[in-house]
Order: sequence, then C-alpha cells, then structure tokens
Amino acid sequence: GAVVSQHPSRVICKSGTSVKIECRSLDFQATTMFWYRQFPKKSLMLMATSNEGSKATYEQGVEKDKFLINHASLTLSTLTVTSAHPEDSSFYICSAPIGANTEAFFGQGTRLTVV
Amino acid sequence: GEDVEQSLFLSVREGDSSVINCTYTDSSSTYLYWYKQEPGAGLQLLTYIFSNMDMKQDQRLTVLLNKKDKHLSLRIADTQTGDSAIYFCAEKGSGGYQKVTFGTGTKLQVIP
Repeated sequence: GAVVSQHPSRVICKSGTSVKIECRSLDFQATTMFWYRQFPKKSLMLMATSNEGSKATYEQGVEKDKFLINHASLTLSTLTVTSAHPEDSSFYICSAPIGANTEAFFGQGTRLTVV
Repeated sequence: GEDVEQSLFLSVREGDSSVINCTYTDSSSTYLYWYKQEPGAGLQLLTYIFSNMDMKQDQRLTVLLNKKDKHLSLRIADTQTGDSAIYFCAEKGSGGYQKVTFGTGTKLQVIP
C-alpha cells in the first residue's frame, strides 16, 4: 500500500535554532500534502496545506514565517520550524492523499522538543 | 467549518466490547477514519469507511456509519489491555484534495 515517510521521528533542539522535518511519499506522487500539529491532550490541528510548485496555504493563526513549508517535488514536502521556542514543542505529522477524493495516508509523525 | 466530536474517555473491562462514538457535521464527507495513538507514538490507521457504506468489519473491529445522523462508531470486540490508547475519529470531505478533520480523541482504558 501507499506509504508516507516522515523524518526525523524525534528531534531535540535548542531555543533559537531551526529544525527541518521531511515528509516523503514513497510510492506515489503527491501534489498536495498536509501538515498537522498535535497539542498535548488535544486533537490534531491542520497547520497548512502544501502544494507542489506553489506557496503553501496556511490556516488562520499559523505564522507562515515561523513554519516554513517547501514542496519542491512531487514526493517531498518539508516543514521548517524557525527560531524554535519551547512552546513549539509538539507532535507534527504530515499526510498525503494519493489523488483527489481518495483516502489520506499519514506519516509516522515527528516529536519536537525545544529546550 | 467541519466539526468532529467524541467523548473524551471510555473505560471497559478486558474481554468486554468497547464502543467509541463520534459525530460529525460535514454532510459531504467521503471517507471516515478511525486512528489509534498509543502514548508517545504516531497515528496508526485502524480502519476507514467510505461514506456510501453502512458497516465495515475487520477482525475485532466493526465500524457503523449512520450518514443521516452523521454518526460513526467503532466497536472493538474482546477488548484487550493492548487496546488501551487514544482513538481518533476523522473525516475527509469531498471535492478535490481535502484535509482530514480530527475529533478530539477518546481515551480508552482497559481494566484487566
């Protein structure tokens, strides 16, 4: 079946540094990918929609300059958390549908801890 | 916008059946999902149902969909301690590349 691979699965970084998270579709092309964030004891909230070859669409309240999304190819989207703060510590997960009106596949998620 | 709601907590005894309920508001939902998340882990897709189906069974899991009432349920037969986790209901709308909207999650506690 279709697989979405996310890397790294866990990362610890210092405040003020930047962290890049990769999301790859392994056996299909994904023109659209979604990035979610999970807050402690809460559900997953959509952060942004990543579109290959164009700018990402951010949800209301998500700082686009802080959470940089690049979808440079049909199989790779990256989320860069810039100038990380401890409050950015969270579980980030990406997903990609194979095509329009199909099920979405999720990556394994990345647990970010900012110290 | 779309809204998906679940009860926050469910406790059952080992060997009993668990039923986790979910309601949603998007009448154009195409896929409805159940995900499992164990502590500190990512999301595991348990099962999903297409919106034109009423029921789907997969081993110990039974999904029931009442599209009229926008109600989805997940039944776990013979619940085991390893089933203890948070279960998320999620729905995906129609029309192109749609995001998945998650419920708040139901924490299932299985008592030995």
